[in-house]
Amino acid sequence: KAGVTQTPRYLIKTRGQQVTLSCSPISGHRSVSWYQQTPGQGLQFLFEYFSETQRNKGNFPGRFSGRQFSNSRSEMNVSTLELGDSALYLCASSLSRGGGNTEAFFGQGTRLTVV
Amino acid sequence: AQSVTQPDIHITVSEGASLELRCNYSYGATPYLFWYVQSPGQGLQLLLKYFSGDTLVQGIKGFEAEFKRSQSSFNLRKPSVHWSDAAEYFCAVGHRGSTLGRLYFGRGTQLTVWP
Repeated sequence: KAGVTQTPRYLIKTRGQQVTLSCSPISGHRSVSWYQQTPGQGLQFLFEYFSETQRNKGNFPGRFSGRQFSNSRSEMNVSTLELGDSALYLCASSLSRGGGNTEAFFGQGTRLTVV
Repeated sequence: AQSVTQPDIHITVSEGASLELRCNYSYGATPYLFWYVQSPGQGLQLLLKYFSGDTLVQGIKGFEAEFKRSQSSFNLRKPSVHWSDAAEYFCAVGHRGSTLGRLYFGRGTQLTVWP
């Protein structure tokens, strides 16, 4: 069974540009969450999607957005990139939303460098 | 507000020695509890989880963790550390009865293993 796939693995962008990151969850998983990881702030929650609807959103500016498609694949977009957006962006998928014995599986991440 | 504290930023142990990584959380009720491990440049791998039941949970790679409600702690242990255990370890909590898509992470503990 394939794991969570994030593409691309590495990106270098210039300040002011925009970027789109992609996440394909484990087959059958309907919940996808995104996290930003930086040395200074650690792991911070960006947003969560379930059945194409954003269910939760972290404390990030509106430049950060996302969406989920009918096949549960998700994308996140960052517009007007800033140097501080340089980070490892992690995607996690889980089987269902709500209680029960499920867990989140993480992808390898996309390393974004803004220059 | 939920918070997760990992008091030790960096721990160094000798190969074969025992290990305990500390985790304390602040949450209104008993949350879902997780330990993840991250190797450099990689995503997060789940070591173990606590949802309910037996407070001593076994995970992969010989790790175990004990949930102590009275201390709001979920410490990770391993009786004999291997050099391959060198990595960063994250404790995380999730809302009970709500989505598992949103996790709150500690700042991580970097483990160095001396040969």
